[in-house]
Amino acid sequence: QVELVESGGGVVQPGRSLRLSCAASGFTFNNYGMHWVRQAPGKGLEWVSLIAYDGANTYYADSVKGRFTVSRDNSKNTLYLQMNSLRVDDTAVYYCAKDQYSSGWCDYWGHGTLVTVSS
Amino acid sequence: DIQMTQSPSTLSASVGDRVTITCRASQSINTWLAWYQQRPGKAPKVLIYKASSLESGVPSRFSGSGSGTEFTLTISSLQPDDFAAYYCQQYNFYPYTFGQGTKLEIK
Repeated sequence: QVELVESGGGVVQPGRSLRLSCAASGFTFNNYGMHWVRQAPGKGLEWVSLIAYDGANTYYADSVKGRFTVSRDNSKNTLYLQMNSLRVDDTAVYYCAKDQYSSGWCDYWGHGTLVTVSS
Repeated sequence: DIQMTQSPSTLSASVGDRVTITCRASQSINTWLAWYQQRPGKAPKVLIYKASSLESGVPSRFSGSGSGTEFTLTISSLQPDDFAAYYCQQYNFYPYTFGQGTKLEIK
């Protein structure tokens, strides 16, 4: 069965960096694009980023472009999100999600990892 | 960016009711739209993709329709498990975007 497990969240000061990881299992990781989606406390879902199955193409929300970098290591079945210059409004639960055959929608989600940006 | 606007933001209904949630896109997205359900404290779960295709394992009381800029999610007969938040997502243009969500509450 498909399993996605995020890690790396925590409390960080504004302006600092953090790297999230998402360990994938139960499917052929290198065949699928992967998303990051976040949810601020008490708020709705915000799409953050998408990386193609082979890492060749990446896409970002305007709110994180230039600060966040998505990458993947297909040999380790792991997705990453490098977050730099963090701001208070980046505080959220970050979910990784599997794309459904490069379609654009997410068919499996992890349970999320909480990132809190606070001084 | 494509703006997705859901209505209503909150909907109060009873078990057995038929309810409809609307999602409008700021420009045409053809049928590249998905609907998700999110229960409190849980990850989202896809219900509908390509505007009207029911994801495997999702009960048939859920249905989606629409194309272009206007879409609907209908639940034909509400069950206790259906009281949750619902989100639409467009995946026609980057960056992908979600609607602000609709909270379905028990009346």
